[in-house]
Amino acid sequence: EPEVTQTPSHQVTQMGQEVILRCVPISNHLYFYWYRQILGQKVEFLVSFYNNEISEKSEIFDDQFSVERPDGSNFTLKIRSTKLEDSAMYFCASSVGLAGTEQYFGPGTRLTVT
Amino acid sequence: AQTVTQSQPEMSVQEAETVTLSCTYDTSESDYYLFWYKQPPSRQMILVIRQEAYKQQNATENRFSVNFQKAAKSFSLKISDSQLGDAAMYFCAYRSRNTNAGKSTFGDGTTLTVKP
Repeated sequence: EPEVTQTPSHQVTQMGQEVILRCVPISNHLYFYWYRQILGQKVEFLVSFYNNEISEKSEIFDDQFSVERPDGSNFTLKIRSTKLEDSAMYFCASSVGLAGTEQYFGPGTRLTVT
Repeated sequence: AQTVTQSQPEMSVQEAETVTLSCTYDTSESDYYLFWYKQPPSRQMILVIRQEAYKQQNATENRFSVNFQKAAKSFSLKISDSQLGDAAMYFCAYRSRNTNAGKSTFGDGTTLTVKP
């Protein structure tokens, strides 16, 4: 069964450093998402992406965040200057279409900012 | 904006028994989807069950079923014949059909413990 993959599984970085989290969505999916889950808290929407553009972003997704689909398979989330409070689990998801179709979640990348 | 509320931070159930997890939501929309996700200690998000708001029939998936009360904006998950592997965090989620983005809104989660 096709699945969403994410790399790395765990990333440790120092405050102020840039990090790039990578995702490979399911190949025929057209809509891509990033969510964040701070330890012990709810899963929060960050951004959705379709047709090489951001469709919607939350208030969390400020100027230090950016997303990109650099080639036909990868979908990346970049955090330019990490803060301690960016430490969280980051989930990538993809779907064939919009709300009527299931979002498939990747296994997540645990980001630790020290 | 839509909100999802899970009022039970923790629940426990004896193995082989039945447990119900509660979820309420707030929306002004009439057309949407509701989901229950399971998150085991590995923190992978696994879809358990989904319900289309326009369907009156409650969704079922093997031992998992929902009680969807649209007027009350309630969406509870019933787990029958609970197994040790059901122990996890469970999230209720809402997803609008009237959107160009398709984001999901999650509740705070309920941690389910299964006692042998």
